[in-house]
Amino acid sequence: DAGVTQSPTHLIKTRGQQVTLRCSPKSGHDTVSWYQQALGQGPQFIFQYYEEEERQRGNFPDRFSGHQFPNYSSELNVNALLLGDSALYLCASSLGDRVYEQYFGPGTRLTVT
Amino acid sequence: AQSVTQLGSHVSVSEGALVLLRCNYSSSVPPYLFWYVQYPNQGLQLLLKYTSAATLVKGINGFEAEFKKSETSFHLTKPSAHMSDAAEYFCAVSNTNAGKSTFGDGTTLTVKP
Repeated sequence: DAGVTQSPTHLIKTRGQQVTLRCSPKSGHDTVSWYQQALGQGPQFIFQYYEEEERQRGNFPDRFSGHQFPNYSSELNVNALLLGDSALYLCASSLGDRVYEQYFGPGTRLTVT
Repeated sequence: AQSVTQLGSHVSVSEGALVLLRCNYSSSVPPYLFWYVQYPNQGLQLLLKYTSAATLVKGINGFEAEFKKSETSFHLTKPSAHMSDAAEYFCAVSNTNAGKSTFGDGTTLTVKP
């Protein structure tokens, strides 16, 4: 049973550029959440997708956007990158009626220079 | 609104000693509570979860936690520390409906030989 997978593992971008991160949920899961984990901090909720719609959003600017595909996989897009966007980006998946129980992927390490 | 406070950003114990990591939460609705472990450069692994059943929850690797509503606490314990327990530990709270998880800032556990 495949768990949550994320790609790429590492990414280096320049300030002002745009980036797309990808996530495939655990088999059977239909909900995907994205978190940003800055160095030395706990994960911060960005947004959650269910049935291809953004269902919840944390306190992140509109530069952060996402998408969920019919196969439940998801993308996180960040525009106009800032140095402060450097972080580990975690994807978590869950099943509709147990949306509170999330399984995390290994993360994508984004470095903005 | 929900929040988590982890008391002690760093905890150091000797191998074989008791591990106690503290977590206090705030939630406007009955909470679901979680402990995760994160090893360097990896994602989050679920250790255990409280979902309104038994207040004493047993997890993987010998860890357990007790939900105490009167104290709004969910402390993590392990009777005997092992070198492999050295990692970052995060307490998280979710509400039952939305699934958004709020994390504490984490506690780094060091195990001395």
